[in-house]
Amino acid sequence: EADIYQTPRYLVIGTGKKITLECSQTMGHDKMYWYQQDPGMELHLIHYSYGVNSTEKGDLSSESTVSRIRTEHFPLTLESARPSHTSQYLCASSESGQFYNEQFFGPGTRLTVL
Amino acid sequence: SQKIEQNSEALNIQEGKTATLTCNYTNYSPAYLQWYRQDPGRGPVFLLLIRENEKEKRKERLKVTFDTTLKQSLFHITASQPADSATYLCAAVYGGSQGNLIFGKGTKLSVKP
Repeated sequence: EADIYQTPRYLVIGTGKKITLECSQTMGHDKMYWYQQDPGMELHLIHYSYGVNSTEKGDLSSESTVSRIRTEHFPLTLESARPSHTSQYLCASSESGQFYNEQFFGPGTRLTVL
Repeated sequence: SQKIEQNSEALNIQEGKTATLTCNYTNYSPAYLQWYRQDPGRGPVFLLLIRENEKEKRKERLKVTFDTTLKQSLFHITASQPADSATYLCAAVYGGSQGNLIFGKGTKLSVKP
């Protein structure tokens, strides 16, 4: 079992609310990622980080933002949630030694915006 | 842009048989291909990695191949068991991509007793 945690696991929230999805890992990994996954569809990379104070946008455009103030913590924030943000959000981490290193995934947060 | 295609959405097989899942890529060959297993409501779990210059890789009952001529990777599970039922994801790593993965949609495998 990977040492990467996401909270909450499920979130149902109204339109316009600000939300933060938490992700923490205890493996000391420098690289961390956020993916969005809809049922039956691919995981799409929305944000990634090489280490503290590093954040980059992924291939899929997202209105969310991320921060990396501590190595172990990589929260994702939506300032104003909309129904189009309804999806599964997966956090992952990997070692930075080799660029092809396997990624370790958290259990995901299923977000529903009403 | 690069695309990873897993053409079979679902595969149903009998226990004890070999399951074979297909992953195709377009345009350029990835430097590496990774295979993950995903169970319902959970994050993917890494299974195997194969390099572009490797023909085959094995791990216990799992085998993965990489054919750059066909632009295809095959993932085999021999002596399949009902516990192998899950969605299997193929993911490509391209050189110069900082190690970011491009995922296919996955193939849902059901192994019947």
